[in-house]
Amino acid sequence: NAGVTQTPKFRVLKTGQSMTLLCAQDMNHEYMYWYRQDPGMGLRLIHYSVGEGTTAKGEVPDGYNVSRLKKQNFLLGLESAAPSQTSVYFCASSFPTGVVTEAFFGQGTRLTVV
Amino acid sequence: EDQVTQSPEALRLQEGESSSLNCSYTVSGLRGLFWYRQDPGKGPEFLFTLYSAGEEKEKERLKATLTKKESFLHITAPKPEDSATYLCAARLDSNYQLIWGAGTKLIIKP
Repeated sequence: NAGVTQTPKFRVLKTGQSMTLLCAQDMNHEYMYWYRQDPGMGLRLIHYSVGEGTTAKGEVPDGYNVSRLKKQNFLLGLESAAPSQTSVYFCASSFPTGVVTEAFFGQGTRLTVV
Repeated sequence: EDQVTQSPEALRLQEGESSSLNCSYTVSGLRGLFWYRQDPGKGPEFLFTLYSAGEEKEKERLKATLTKKESFLHITAPKPEDSATYLCAARLDSNYQLIWGAGTKLIIKP
């Protein structure tokens, strides 16, 4: 059972380049999330999805876009990367939050923008 | 403003030396308090959920407790393999969001 899988694990981008981070989960979870983690700060929610075809903004959505065309996949896009987007990105999934269950996380993508 | 604060930022202990990590929260309404463990280069891994003041949960050398203002993660006779960053997060009553603390980095020296 793979759980939550993120690709790629590492990436270096030049300022202005674009890229897409892929998250796949095999637990049939309805909810999926993208977080970023920066030193000395808590995880911050970028975007989330409560089901296939739906997305919503989180705490720090600027500069990012997302899509959830299939229930098991959640894509995070950076259209024009900036050095401020250097971070570790985590995808997570969970059952609907009406039931207070835990979120399961992927192993992270370390992104450096130069 | 909803906020979760963890202390200390880092804690170094000798193997076998028990201690506690603190997670204080100021939120409009708490639906659940989560503890996670994060190893270097990996995603957070779920440990516990606490729902109401007075609740306690245990797993091996770890015990989590909850009051109306804070949660503690007690570590009894820790081993080097307990070294990790421990994160807490509060799920709000009002919406889906988890508010995360910045974590406590725990180092257990043999």
